[in-house]
Amino acid sequence: DADVTQTPRNRITKTGKRIMLECSQTKGHDRMYWYRQDPGLGLRLIYYSFDVKDINKGEISDGYSVSRQAQAKFSLSLESAIPNQTALYFCATSDWEGGYTFGSGTRLTVV
Amino acid sequence: DAKTTQPTSMDCAEGRAANLPCNHSTISGNEYVYWYRQIHSQGPQYIIHGLKNNETNEMASLIITEDRKSSTLILPHATLRDTAVYYCIVRAQGSNDYKLSFGAGTTVTVRA
Repeated sequence: DADVTQTPRNRITKTGKRIMLECSQTKGHDRMYWYRQDPGLGLRLIYYSFDVKDINKGEISDGYSVSRQAQAKFSLSLESAIPNQTALYFCATSDWEGGYTFGSGTRLTVV
Repeated sequence: DAKTTQPTSMDCAEGRAANLPCNHSTISGNEYVYWYRQIHSQGPQYIIHGLKNNETNEMASLIITEDRKSSTLILPHATLRDTAVYYCIVRAQGSNDYKLSFGAGTTVTVRA
């Protein structure tokens, strides 16, 4: 099994719909992150969490929310999806030494 | 985190060593050099990291100059599956700086 598992892998949704992307990790790390990547661009941080009770906004949090259900689970929600949220979404976890482990990504298309 | 400079792209022949340079002239004493790569549309993958000594693992070797202002990632026997964007990142361990800045990286194309 992968260290960081994201579901779904691909999703097409309609404008205005609420959608949740899920992430679980088996690394035992406290720190978890959600990034998005647009074609030809780098990763941009949406939200991050340093432990279950700690949630922080990243650089592009508008239109998104997160929930840290447990140390191993961190979900990302789009409250009302819009087309410019079409992107590749990555969940990641990191240890104190700074090594990040990323999931395989969720390709989200909003039509 | 200190900034890094990498070439935009490079080609490498399959089976040959690929040497990827990275400049980080403003690196601080407590900052490590990390290398990641991203194969097309996959999640970035950790490769190796080091402080000042050379490091080797099953994927690659990392050579850091004595003044720590530059480093080279070496893929000893490049394969077609090593075609990816490679990112050199400098950051301190235990940092509360949440953002891992990947920059543009080096697009490495391994040719048969």
